Amino acid sequence: ETGVTQSPTHLIKTRGQQVTLRCSSQSGHNTVSWYQQALGQGPQFIFQYYREEENGRGNFPPRFSGLQFPNYSSELNVNALELDDSALYLCASYSGGPETQYFGPGTRLLVL
Amino acid sequence: QKEVEQNSGPLSVPEGAIASLNCTYSDRVSQSFFWYRQYSGKSPELIMSIYSNGDKEDGRFTAQLNKASQYVSLLIRDSQPSDSATYLCAVNPGGYQKVTFGTGTKLQVIP
Repeated sequence: ETGVTQSPTHLIKTRGQQVTLRCSSQSGHNTVSWYQQALGQGPQFIFQYYREEENGRGNFPPRFSGLQFPNYSSELNVNALELDDSALYLCASYSGGPETQYFGPGTRLLVL
Repeated sequence: QKEVEQNSGPLSVPEGAIASLNCTYSDRVSQSFFWYRQYSGKSPELIMSIYSNGDKEDGRFTAQLNKASQYVSLLIRDSQPSDSATYLCAVNPGGYQKVTFGTGTKLQVIP
């Protein structure tokens, strides 16, 4: 088990709703990355936060947004949910470089 | 062309054999290369990282990197049924930049 925790573990929403997912980073890690993993696919990079600033973003629309707090925990917000947003959402934290990156257990989101 | 390409498998090998997993990447500026293992229903777990051309060994695992050919591989010696998982190849340009994953190769080790 890593020190990265995520909540909730599972979530069911309907199309058009909004959702907030939470991540607590491993102690000492100042960088949090969020990934979306659809069934049968590899994780797709959504964005990354370093010391409370977004410092990288993948090919995701603006309705995917995030925050990082002073304790380096993070939130992922998704507005106007679509059916294709159904996936496993993973957060990962590291410090110094991604060779120290640890993933949390993920939040499985189902959009109906 | 996908940024990181892997054969989705499944790759089936008998217990005790060598499993060979391959990955190609498109971005020539990539500096860091990773292999993650993901068991069904679980999150990815880093098993190997490699940065320089050549081989890097860690126990039963050997990562191989050829930057000229933009090719990374993972060899698993003496494969065990517990090695059955999806293996994800990932690349990074260096430092605090995004890590790009392939779609993964599913490995089945047959007892």
